[in-house]
Amino acid sequence: DTGVSQNPRHKITKRGQNVTFRCDPISEHNRLYWYRQTLGQGPEFLTYFQNEAQLEKSRLLSDRFSAERPKGSFSTLEIQRTEQGDSAMYLCASSLRGGGEREAFFGQGTRLTVV
Amino acid sequence: GEDVEQSLFLSVREGDSSVINCTYTDSSSTYLYWYKQEPGAGLQLLTYIFSNMDMKQDQRLTVLLNKKDKHLSLRIADTQTGDSAIYFCAENFASGSARQLTFGSGTQLTVLP
Repeated sequence: DTGVSQNPRHKITKRGQNVTFRCDPISEHNRLYWYRQTLGQGPEFLTYFQNEAQLEKSRLLSDRFSAERPKGSFSTLEIQRTEQGDSAMYLCASSLRGGGEREAFFGQGTRLTVV
Repeated sequence: GEDVEQSLFLSVREGDSSVINCTYTDSSSTYLYWYKQEPGAGLQLLTYIFSNMDMKQDQRLTVLLNKKDKHLSLRIADTQTGDSAIYFCAENFASGSARQLTFGSGTQLTVLP
């Protein structure tokens, strides 16, 4: 399978715990995005990487959120001290710079439930 | 700021055409997109249109773009039960070093047998 892969698919955690999600983009894609989708809404942009550099961060990304893409391949999104309001689907997408901006491919998402 | 609006629900009979409408605000968008999301799944890119085009056809899908009115539509011909899903319209807008996607809230398409 050469699509965008996200793990885990589902995560249930207690409020106050830290969680980490992983995204493996399409192998030749140098751009990677994280989005958050709450129930009944469209996805909202969180952050964007070009290779290993994090170039954009939304104001939705509070200090409790951190994302990394250390070698320009896979990325992790960590949420510290989770709150119930963090419950959402976290989607990763990748695209190829220079023409591939037309097409951002999404993974299946990680559904986070904070109890 | 940027905003994308869609109607929330659409029901059609199997075999009929479906038309899903969307309005957007950012006139600098270079591409506009339609994504499909089935329950519990990620987003599947269906089609996109470059902003200097009026129409794009791809098998059963026809995208119409009225740039003056900032109106985008997706027509699905011969709608099938497998087309039941949520359809998101999205525009890409420039923010800083790259373009981000701004999505509408989605239109729930229900195809009745």
